[in-house]
Amino acid sequence: EAQVTQNPRYLITVTGKKLTVTCSQNMNHEYMSWYRQDPGLGLRQIYYSMNVEVTDKGDVPEGYKVSRKEKRNFPLILESPSPNQTSLYFCASSRRTGATYEQYFGPGTRLTVT
Amino acid sequence: DAKTTQPTSMDCAEGRAANLPCNHSTISGNEYVYWYRQIHSQGPQYIIHGLKNNETNEMASLIITEDRKSSTLILPHATLRDTAVYYCIVRVEDSGNTPLVFGKGTRLSVIA
Repeated sequence: EAQVTQNPRYLITVTGKKLTVTCSQNMNHEYMSWYRQDPGLGLRQIYYSMNVEVTDKGDVPEGYKVSRKEKRNFPLILESPSPNQTSLYFCASSRRTGATYEQYFGPGTRLTVT
Repeated sequence: DAKTTQPTSMDCAEGRAANLPCNHSTISGNEYVYWYRQIHSQGPQYIIHGLKNNETNEMASLIITEDRKSSTLILPHATLRDTAVYYCIVRVEDSGNTPLVFGKGTRLSVIA
């Protein structure tokens, strides 16, 4: 089944404790991205990657890192999480068809930082 | 990207067609209309997209007016599982590296 998977789905952690949220897609998509969703603010892009070893900042990159060593994986790293990073996180990958892109989202990771 | 306007909420009886409108009066010639939906706290789901011709897939149909200033997403036989927030998004072509901009969308409630 074609899908984007994220792990963990739920995480409660403490301020300053490094964590990684994994994202994997099995559709051979080149483009992947991370969003966070907060009440009243909608979905905002954190980082994106156009291909292996190519990453760039989105709208809210502060406090996050990413890497793209393989096409299928795009982990999100929080080196020193803070309470304002409590949010619902979505990973997405894109399929290009002609001049358009269809984005496919993972199930989400609900992160709470205390 | 062009701005879109959608009703805040709509109701639809189960088994009936759900018609969700979207206005995008400032759309330009190289902008596509996309529809996504988000069921409560799940990841957004791609539904359909089009440029100027009507489109149909296994999930829905997209009707775009001739002047392209508005469109309608049609779910032909709505079920309770179609209850979600539906987002109409206009994006320029070749915009893969730009984020999707989700507005407030339309909250569709399918009622038994």
